[in-house]
Amino acid sequence: NAGVTQTPKFRILKIGQSMTLQCTQDMNHNYMYWYRQDPGMGLKLIYYSVGAGITDKGEVPNGYNVSRSTTEDFPLRLELAAPSQTSVYFCASSYSGPINEQFFGPGTRLTVL
Amino acid sequence: AQSVAQPEDQVNVAEGNPLTVKCTYSVSGNPYLFWYVQYPNRGLQFLLKYITGDNLVKGSYGFEAEFNKSQTSFHLKKPSALVSDSALYFCAVRASASGGSYIPTFGRGTSLIVHP
Repeated sequence: NAGVTQTPKFRILKIGQSMTLQCTQDMNHNYMYWYRQDPGMGLKLIYYSVGAGITDKGEVPNGYNVSRSTTEDFPLRLELAAPSQTSVYFCASSYSGPINEQFFGPGTRLTVL
Repeated sequence: AQSVAQPEDQVNVAEGNPLTVKCTYSVSGNPYLFWYVQYPNRGLQFLLKYITGDNLVKGSYGFEAEFNKSQTSFHLKKPSALVSDSALYFCAVRASASGGSYIPTFGRGTSLIVHP
């Protein structure tokens, strides 16, 4: 199993540009999540999904959009990039239910200039 | 609302000494508790979890954690630290009961530095 994969690993955007961060998991997990990690701030949940076709906002959804058309894929869309979106983005997945741990991807380091 | 506190931003310990990374939580009902480790430029990796049963949970790389319901704590421990244990450690909580959130809440992380 490849686990959770994310592309790209690094990206530099100009203010106002848009991009999609890709996330794929091959473990047949129902739950998927997007987090951003800023230095000293821990993880902040952006969006999550409990199954294909179902998404919901997390703690910091503004400026982002997601879709979940398949169990495997959970892309994160940044529209009109802003410097405040400079961060490291992690995708994660888990089986349904609260007892299950999350599996994290390697992250995408995004800089908005 | 559920929450997790990791009161120390950084923990320093000498190699070979025991280490403790602290975590306290607040949640409705019984908690499900998790520890994750993050090495530089990597994603988080699962270390161990408490669901029910024995209060002492053993996990990967020789780590263990003790659940204390009365103190609402879930401290991570290791009897003898290694330099390679140096990393960022995150505690997380999920609620087991309805009314709580199945979505995990993470602490802000504790940087563990093990000195040779």
